[in-house]
Amino acid sequence: QSALTQPASVSGSPGQSITLSCTITISDFGSYNYVSWYQQVPGKAPKLMIYDVTKRPSGVSHRFSGSQSGNTASLTISGVRAEDEAVYYCLSYTSRNISFGGGTQLTVL
Amino acid sequence: EVQLVQSGAEVKQPGESLRISCKGSGYSFSKYWIAWVRQMPGKGLQWMGIIYPGDSDTRYSPSFEGQVTISADESINTAYLQWSSLEASDTAIYYCARRSWDASYYFDFWGQGTLVTVSS
Repeated sequence: QSALTQPASVSGSPGQSITLSCTITISDFGSYNYVSWYQQVPGKAPKLMIYDVTKRPSGVSHRFSGSQSGNTASLTISGVRAEDEAVYYCLSYTSRNISFGGGTQLTVL
Repeated sequence: EVQLVQSGAEVKQPGESLRISCKGSGYSFSKYWIAWVRQMPGKGLQWMGIIYPGDSDTRYSPSFEGQVTISADESINTAYLQWSSLEASDTAIYYCARRSWDASYYFDFWGQGTLVTVSS
């Protein structure tokens, strides 16, 4: 059972802001501030989008931002575009183990 | 330019052994941890384990401990994932990924993936 829970799917229209959540369910999480987010389009390797909860790697669009409140981390995509359609995974380091969330399929209507 | 280039697709029979590889370039290979991640058909990502090529310090996910072996040869900038006896349930895409250099924990570069198919 994953220690990180993500909704299976989220959808939105172009131009909307979409927020994806990642809830840490394990009770003995350690440094869960090491949350990162990955985008995976079909047939491709995952791509780092956000790290350390809020930091954005060079080359990633400013439309992508990260935040955290309590035990839930969030990825927000502002002005969503068709090209953002993908599966998004969160990752966290907890209790000497690394856990991915189950992934959220983002559909751009 | 940092690159992780993985070995090609494999088709194996149950019970066979296999080793796949991940070659790093464009950075100091021995100084960054390399992780292996499994993605079963139509499923999500699973962290399998991680190795520090500089001293071969290796950590495994409890789910994969004893099921696979992770190794590295820093002289040729290559990490490996191997099985001694494959099962049909090992059919998946396997990715290698470089862990960040700092005290944080994220994977900044990924290999292109290796598809392993186990079928009789």
